[in-house]
Amino acid sequence: DTAVSQTPKYLVTQMGNDKSIKCEQNLGHDTMYWYKQDSKKFLKIMFSYNNKELIINETVPNRFSPKSPDKAHLNLHINSLELGDSAVYFCASSKGTATSGNTIYFGEGSWLTVV
Amino acid sequence: GQNIDQPTEMTATEGAIVQINCTYQTSGFNGLFWYQQHAGEAPTFLSYNVLDGLEEKGRFSSFLSRSKGYSYLLLKELQMKDSASYLCAVRDRDSSYKLIFGSGTRLLVRP
Repeated sequence: DTAVSQTPKYLVTQMGNDKSIKCEQNLGHDTMYWYKQDSKKFLKIMFSYNNKELIINETVPNRFSPKSPDKAHLNLHINSLELGDSAVYFCASSKGTATSGNTIYFGEGSWLTVV
Repeated sequence: GQNIDQPTEMTATEGAIVQINCTYQTSGFNGLFWYQQHAGEAPTFLSYNVLDGLEEKGRFSSFLSRSKGYSYLLLKELQMKDSASYLCAVRDRDSSYKLIFGSGTRLLVRP
């Protein structure tokens, strides 16, 4: 029973294409996130949703658009893919945001390669 | 702004003890987390500190000094499977409580 699951795990696509990564959590958490891990292994937050509302929107190109149909799902759509978008994208969730000790649980990652 | 520093790489011997340090600068400190990440896998939660002192969990312990902006992760009785990256992350209440990660310390455990 995977707590945070994301699909696809591997994605190879050409520049200019549009692609989506889906994420679902079955932990009953209210908050979901998208993180990007680049080749230098930095994990950087991209977006965060709390109960389907956007609460964190880092400076990312507007080609990246998150969508949260309900609090258990947070999908990431990327338009006009560029070579620099190649990275591992991690979905994550937590029970809340500000409460002390809210641990973030990560999905297994989606390896995106743009060629 | 926020800044988190940790060593890039460390090497230790199976059965030994290793300490991975993390220093941070943030305006609204709201807790420090340690995560373990094996190559090609997701980060997994190891420990959480919000008050000064030592938190012990089996072979792993984590220490925090808020006044010094300093934490360490202590791994005892090292096993080969402990070879992984260890990520220090700080939650910042002045940035919507987002978790800011360091670049991670790659630990290699040798026989």
